[in-house]
Amino acid sequence: GENVGLHLPTLSVQEGDNSIINCAYSNSASDYFIWYKQESGKGPQFIIDIRSNMDKRQGQRVTVLLNKTVKHLSLQIAATQPGDSAVYFCAGQNTGGFKTIFGAGTRLFVKA
Amino acid sequence: GAVVSQHPSWVICKSGTSVKIECRSLDFQATTMFWYRQFPKQSLMLMATSNEGSKATYEQGVEKDKFLINHASLTLSTLTVTSAHPEDSSFYICSARDFSMNTEAFFGQGTRLTVV
Repeated sequence: GENVGLHLPTLSVQEGDNSIINCAYSNSASDYFIWYKQESGKGPQFIIDIRSNMDKRQGQRVTVLLNKTVKHLSLQIAATQPGDSAVYFCAGQNTGGFKTIFGAGTRLFVKA
Repeated sequence: GAVVSQHPSWVICKSGTSVKIECRSLDFQATTMFWYRQFPKQSLMLMATSNEGSKATYEQGVEKDKFLINHASLTLSTLTVTSAHPEDSSFYICSARDFSMNTEAFFGQGTRLTVV
């Protein structure tokens, strides 16, 4: 099955700096990845996604990079704000895209 | 994005009783709903997948007789925790997806269950 995990459990950044959250996966059949943001006591909120035929996708202040060679993806948040403080999960789906399997999560602290 | 609503947001129940959690898709038809459980400071673990009108498919290690899932309509799925015990205390989250429209999965706000 899918196995998606993270390198860093916590990340602390200064307000205004850029944040980079990393994620590794082990299932070569994974072809669709999503980043979610989860605030305390709430459900996951979709941030950005990327398919395996791409290596980069940009959204508003966020960029996801996918390196299929080393099975690694990252979420970059530009000009991090206090409101970005949350737990971030990468998640993956494999070909046929049915179940979404979550990685371990990284807690992002933004210092004002 | 589409809205998925869970009810209740939190519930406290006595050990041995059963608790029902509802998951509703408010503005789209959910052909498939997923139920997750999340313990403190951990990730979301998929418990089961339910398709409208058919039996749920449970992940390995999840007791189907303990976690009863019903998906009787395209907008409602329920999870019933039967004979709840303190170790069932957790944050339960549903997500819903319309595969006919190939949409992403939308998540509910979660239900905090505390069994005392």
